[in-house]
Amino acid sequence: DTEVTQTPKHLVMGMTNKKSLKCEQHMGHRAMYWYKQKAKKPPELMFVYSYEKLSINESVPSRFSPECPNSSLLNLHLHALQPEDSALYLCASSGPSSYNSPLHFGNGTRLTVT
Amino acid sequence: AQSVAQPEDQVNVAEGNPLTVKCTYSVSGNPYLFWYVQYPNRGLQFLLKYITGDNLVKGSYGFEAEFNKSQTSFHLKKPSALVSDSALYFCAVRDGGGGGNKLTFGTGTQLKVEL
Repeated sequence: DTEVTQTPKHLVMGMTNKKSLKCEQHMGHRAMYWYKQKAKKPPELMFVYSYEKLSINESVPSRFSPECPNSSLLNLHLHALQPEDSALYLCASSGPSSYNSPLHFGNGTRLTVT
Repeated sequence: AQSVAQPEDQVNVAEGNPLTVKCTYSVSGNPYLFWYVQYPNRGLQFLLKYITGDNLVKGSYGFEAEFNKSQTSFHLKKPSALVSDSALYFCAVRDGGGGGNKLTFGTGTQLKVEL
């Protein structure tokens, strides 16, 4: 079982809906990540939080809004998404020495935009 | 800029035979190399990493990888494949000479182990 918990596991939303993805880890990791993954493709980095501050935004459209309420939680707020945003959204965390610390991934949220 | 190449989209191997999944990388500084495995409808699981030291790295589930600096490669190996090893494998690299906290993934290799 993964130590990074993501909810919900599946989400179907219309293009006018507002929804949120949630991620939680209790490993004491201070770096947390959002990735987007299409089928059979590598994960694409979206956002990185380091010590609860946004450190990397990979030019993600504003319809995706990340939030890090505390060191254990990471949210991704979704609004006015497009069908092409349908994908597996993965959360990950890593330890204090970011260069040599592996990422620990959750099992993802499978998002379908109709 | 850092990059990773996995030249094979798919590798087929018979159960009990050795397997190799290939990975080459390009970085400006020292490479920090990782292998991950992904089963259907799951997240990525960390298998092993190379940071420094012994070129042969041992990881989870009997997997190992050999770091070769001259060939800039980090191939994943297992002496005897199992059907349960069938999954999608990703090689990844961080550049110790810059690039911040970004982990660059290869395109992935689908491993199929048959009876």
